[in-house]
Amino acid sequence: KQEVTQIPAALSVPEGENLVLNCSFTDSAIYNLQWFRQDPGKGLTSLLLIQSSQREQTSGRLNASLDKSSGRSTLYIAASQPGDSATYLCAVIYGGATNKLIFGTGTLLAVQP
Amino acid sequence: GAVVSQHPSWVICKSGTSVKIECRSLDFQATTMFWYRQFPKQSLMLMATSNEGSKATYEQGVEKDKFLINHASLTLSTLTVTSAHPEDSSFYICSARDPLAGGPRTQYFGPGTRLTVL
Repeated sequence: KQEVTQIPAALSVPEGENLVLNCSFTDSAIYNLQWFRQDPGKGLTSLLLIQSSQREQTSGRLNASLDKSSGRSTLYIAASQPGDSATYLCAVIYGGATNKLIFGTGTLLAVQP
Repeated sequence: GAVVSQHPSWVICKSGTSVKIECRSLDFQATTMFWYRQFPKQSLMLMATSNEGSKATYEQGVEKDKFLINHASLTLSTLTVTSAHPEDSSFYICSARDPLAGGPRTQYFGPGTRLTVL
């Protein structure tokens, strides 16, 4: 069964800290992996997309890495800000005809001012 | 970038009634749309894949007669929750795939619809 797990489930850090969110997936034959942000009661905002052939992607203070062989991805947030507080979801798409996104369990991040 | 809208953004209904949720791709044609459900403090679970002009493909455990999906055009898919019950209360999110941009499997998400069944 293809599953995606995120740890920790919740994280609270003081403003300014660098932090890492983890995502693991059971089946390494992914097509790509995406990191999303979800604010309470809102839809999803795509943050970074990593193709299976890539090792990492960067956007501003965010850096996502991908290690297919170990079934892991990390999202690194530098110099965290209170506005970064949200739930972060990773999701994978597998190859083949399907376009199904399989979402992780999410990490609820709180950045304390 | 590609924009996907949903209507309504929230709805409250009585138990036993039916509710229709619309998902629109505003600036692109979406041959495929997806419907997700998210219970409080849980992740998104795919309910069904909707292809324009054909029947939707439902995930295991999702009742197709209860959650009717119609993808009548390249910019509109609808999800109708029939005979809604309190356990159907959830956050419903759609996404659409733009085949011409963002890679073959990139999905753009709508803002979600909060359904509360009394």
